Amino acid sequence: GAGVSQSPRYKVAKRGQDVALRCDPISGHVSLFWYQQALGQGPEFLTYFQNEAQLDKSGLPSDRFFAERPEGSVSTLKIQRTQQEDSAVYLCASTPRGVVNTEAFFGQGTRLTVV
Amino acid sequence: QQQVKQSPQSLIVQKGGISIINCAYENTAFDYFPWYQQFPGKGPALLIAIRPDVSEKKEGRFTISFNKSAKQFSLHIMDSQPGDSATYFCAASGNAGNMLTFGGGTRLMVKP
Repeated sequence: GAGVSQSPRYKVAKRGQDVALRCDPISGHVSLFWYQQALGQGPEFLTYFQNEAQLDKSGLPSDRFFAERPEGSVSTLKIQRTQQEDSAVYLCASTPRGVVNTEAFFGQGTRLTVV
Repeated sequence: QQQVKQSPQSLIVQKGGISIINCAYENTAFDYFPWYQQFPGKGPALLIAIRPDVSEKKEGRFTISFNKSAKQFSLHIMDSQPGDSATYFCAASGNAGNMLTFGGGTRLMVKP
């Protein structure tokens, strides 16, 4: 595709519900990142993949958060037993090379609202 | 721990004026400093970036000034236009980590 695609754009979940957020990176991009952006704040790093390998998951806030990229392309961020504090925009970014010191292309994000 | 501090939180500039946004960082391992522009409902988009081997980089109306000793860098938008109204984020990354660390953002409004 022309850019990073994320789906759904909006998700409303009841507290305790599990959700899955999808990211389609730019074709051929090696690295994929997930960020969480709370309202009125800057994005915060969650996790990073190089191809199918999850190299850094230090930003995941709890063990309720899980990410995967099994074939090195599409990635899914799963949040189990959602809580109100999980409400945020979840951004996915990809880069063509194995390091981030190059332009990161962001998707439009998925806005998650937990009620 | 907020490793990149950004100011001001909001900024109002008249059309044609200069917009200045400042950032300070703590981690001396950072070696890449991009600025991202974000419009409502959109993801951040790279505007301009600098590495610490230069003190200034200019692209069109956008200039980054970098002060390595002070661990500070700033974005200057010359001849600001209403279309520049957006939220701007500074960020930093280093070889030790592949993630971007973002500042808190500056909401810029350019009045016509």
